[in-house]
Amino acid sequence: RKEVEQDPGPFNVPEGATVAFNCTYSNSASQSFFWYRQDCRKEPKLLMSVYSSGNEDGRFTAQLNRASQYISLLIRDSKLSDSATYLCVVRISSNTGKLIFGQGTTLQVKP
Amino acid sequence: GAVVSQHPSRVICKSGTSVKIECRSLDFQATTMFWYRQFPKQSLMLMATSNEGSKATYEQGVEKDKFLINHASLTLSTLTVTSAHPEDSSFYICSAVPGLASANEQFFGPGTRLTVL
Repeated sequence: RKEVEQDPGPFNVPEGATVAFNCTYSNSASQSFFWYRQDCRKEPKLLMSVYSSGNEDGRFTAQLNRASQYISLLIRDSKLSDSATYLCVVRISSNTGKLIFGQGTTLQVKP
Repeated sequence: GAVVSQHPSRVICKSGTSVKIECRSLDFQATTMFWYRQFPKQSLMLMATSNEGSKATYEQGVEKDKFLINHASLTLSTLTVTSAHPEDSSFYICSAVPGLASANEQFFGPGTRLTVL
């Protein structure tokens, strides 16, 4: 079983749609949680951190459920520029800072 | 913001040659840097943790004699792929962390695309 699992998609949605991505992680000792965005043939970039209390940044909302070991990302009012791969990332509780990446979910927003 | 550079951005080499990739933190010092590899349509996989002034820590399944890592200064780590073969063709990405690696954000370099013929 992968440590971080995501539905690879692709998710094809029209502009203006609301889309939700889900992610599960297997290590209950996981300490920190993130969503990264990766454009084709580029490096990943931090989109937002994820907290149990929820985290909202403009059109993006992230949520963590520790009991279910489940992370979500909601994108409202999708823009063409949101087309990318969204990576669910977990940092295990340790002093190494190692990040574990999910496979990524591909989003394609169409006009 | 924090900037990490990688050089070269793209390299094509013949099988059997060695390739060195540099990762630099341009505006901060990084005791810890990480090296990842990403195959097409797959996620980033951590290869090793590079620690300034000490030996790198390799992930399970990564050959330390094939992927040589040197972190000689607080702003530079190098990854050398020795005797490269076509199966080593991949996207290699580094990241650097200012301060405490377990608490702070990793900043990623733009990646190096390696093609071994």
